[in-house]
Amino acid sequence: NAGVTQTPKFRILKIGQSMTLQCTQDMNHNYMYWYRQDPGMGLKLIYYSVGAGITDKGEVPNGYNVSRSTTEDFPLRLELAAPSQTSVYFCASTPTGLNPEAFFGQGTRLTVV
Amino acid sequence: GENVEQHPSTLSVQEGDSAVIKCTYSDSASNYFPWYKQELGKGPQLIIDIRSNVGEKKDQRIAVTLNKTAKHFSLHITETQPEDSAVYFCAASRGRDDKIIFGKGTRLHILP
Repeated sequence: NAGVTQTPKFRILKIGQSMTLQCTQDMNHNYMYWYRQDPGMGLKLIYYSVGAGITDKGEVPNGYNVSRSTTEDFPLRLELAAPSQTSVYFCASTPTGLNPEAFFGQGTRLTVV
Repeated sequence: GENVEQHPSTLSVQEGDSAVIKCTYSDSASNYFPWYKQELGKGPQLIIDIRSNVGEKKDQRIAVTLNKTAKHFSLHITETQPEDSAVYFCAASRGRDDKIIFGKGTRLHILP
């Protein structure tokens, strides 16, 4: 199993450009999450999804959009990129059940210049 | 909703000494408490977890304790080694059909 796969690993954007960060999991997990992690800081939840067709805002959703058309995929869209969005982005998934262990992707390092 | 507080944000200990990281949670319905380790350039990975029907769990040099009454849980690392240097996150969940909430993380430095 590949687990959680994120692409790309690195990206440099110019101010005002748009891009989509891809996230795919092959574990049939219902829950998926997007976090951003600024240098030396903790994880901030951007958006999460409890299943296909359902998404909810986290603590820092402004400037981002998500969709969940399938169980496997949870892309994160940045519209009109700003320097404040320079960060490392992590996608994660958890199963439902008694022990919902979170599995993380390797991260996407995004720089907006 | 659930809120997880984690302390300290940074911790430095001499190699061979013990390290303790503490977390508190707000939702008394939470019943699953995992700990994650994030090494440089990687995503967090589960290192140990505990359920609310257990007070303590050990795995070699790592142990987690849970006090349900006080709503706090702690990670204990004994005989620390250089490879223990990382960022550690606690988390809480009601399990079943609920999302997981992370603490803000603790950067652990093991000093030679």
